[in-house]
Amino acid sequence: EVQLVESGGGLVKPGGSLRLSCAASGFTFSVAWMSWVRQAPGKGLEWVGRIKSKADGGTTDYTAPVKGRFTISRDDSKNTLYLQMNSLKTEDTAVYYCSRVGTTLSYWGQGALVTVSS
Amino acid sequence: DVVMTQSPLSLPVTLGQSASISCRSSQSLVYSDGNTYLNWFQQRPGQSPRRLIYKVSNRDSGVPDRFSGSGSGTDFTLKISRVEAEDVGVYYCMQATHWPHTFGQGTKVEIK
Repeated sequence: EVQLVESGGGLVKPGGSLRLSCAASGFTFSVAWMSWVRQAPGKGLEWVGRIKSKADGGTTDYTAPVKGRFTISRDDSKNTLYLQMNSLKTEDTAVYYCSRVGTTLSYWGQGALVTVSS
Repeated sequence: DVVMTQSPLSLPVTLGQSASISCRSSQSLVYSDGNTYLNWFQQRPGQSPRRLIYKVSNRDSGVPDRFSGSGSGTDFTLKISRVEAEDVGVYYCMQATHWPHTFGQGTKVEIK
């Protein structure tokens, strides 16, 4: 059974940092392109960024609102995906989902709530 | 970025009746490999998103055949036949042809 379990959410002040983790199981993590998607309270879904598998270069892509502040990384030896969030803003408040969305498959975690507030 | 525009944004439906959601993209979603990477997601209240349809019209594993997708280029439709109570939630179209991937605003389906 595929599982994606996010952790590390919480309350942080504007300008602060937080790191989310996503523990993956049930599939070969090292070959998977992984993504982070967020959802502000009562709002729609927004792609944050993605990381390719090392075999495909291991590169990352980000959306404009988070570029330069957020960093996605992976540790294939631990089957874990990370999202390092720096210089957080109140508008970054959201549930952050770890996901693997391929052509013929789609897996999502339960989400981790990040609240940015003073 | 590709803008995805859904309509309607709210859709009250009667149990057993059909419902359709439209999704339009600001540019063609045909990729260089000839495929069109248009997905539909369902998000039930309090749950994570679940994909229903990929590449316009292909149902994901376990998705009832009451759900169907159609369209091409920039115009797409999700149809729910014989709506059931468990279909209540928000439906999103999402394009994965261009980076960044983008979602529509969401259509809230509720029972009349």
